[in-house]
Amino acid sequence: EAGVAQSPRYKIIEKRQSVAFWCNPISGHATLYWYQQILGQGPKLLIQFQNNGVVDDSQLPKDRFSAERLKGVDSTLKIQPAKLEDSAVYLCASSLSRNMDNEQFFGPGTRLTVL
Amino acid sequence: DQQVKQNSPSLSVQEGRISILNCDYTNSMFDYFLWYKKYPAEGPTFLISISSIKDKNEDGRFTVFLNKSAKHLSLHIVPSQPGDSAVYFCAASKYGGATNKLIFGTGTLLAVQP
Repeated sequence: EAGVAQSPRYKIIEKRQSVAFWCNPISGHATLYWYQQILGQGPKLLIQFQNNGVVDDSQLPKDRFSAERLKGVDSTLKIQPAKLEDSAVYLCASSLSRNMDNEQFFGPGTRLTVL
Repeated sequence: DQQVKQNSPSLSVQEGRISILNCDYTNSMFDYFLWYKKYPAEGPTFLISISSIKDKNEDGRFTVFLNKSAKHLSLHIVPSQPGDSAVYFCAASKYGGATNKLIFGTGTLLAVQP
């Protein structure tokens, strides 16, 4: 079974530029998550989708971050414009459903550096 | 507001000995707890979980203990192996809530010396 795929793996941009990350979840997984992991901290949930609808985006900085999950499969996370404090690893995860018994599987992440 | 805390940033143990990783939480609404393991340049992988109706859950070399009154849980690895060297994250959630949102601790880097 293929895992969660993310691209790119690394990205370096200047502040005020825009950047987008892509995630392809495990086939058949209805729930998709984007986490931000700042160095020295644990992952923090930014947004959670159930199919193509948003379940939780309470910690998404909506003035600069946006995410979509068209057709309930792939997802993109965009930052526009980026700030220095956005430097982090962005992790995508997926699970069969929102049931707590369904494990969240994580992708390898995209490491973003904002200069 | 750090609701899940791992106060030891790192831990070093000898191969074959026991590793004990600790985690504290502040939100009494949490009733489901998980441990994830993370190798460099990889995403976290699920290791073991425990619900608040239990005080212990065991899976092979890994055992998680939960002390609800102290709002404390620990992960025991016996015996420790060099391949266990990784960052371990504790996470908490509310079972059956509107979402299965996980709140992660800051992680503990475990180094198992051969």
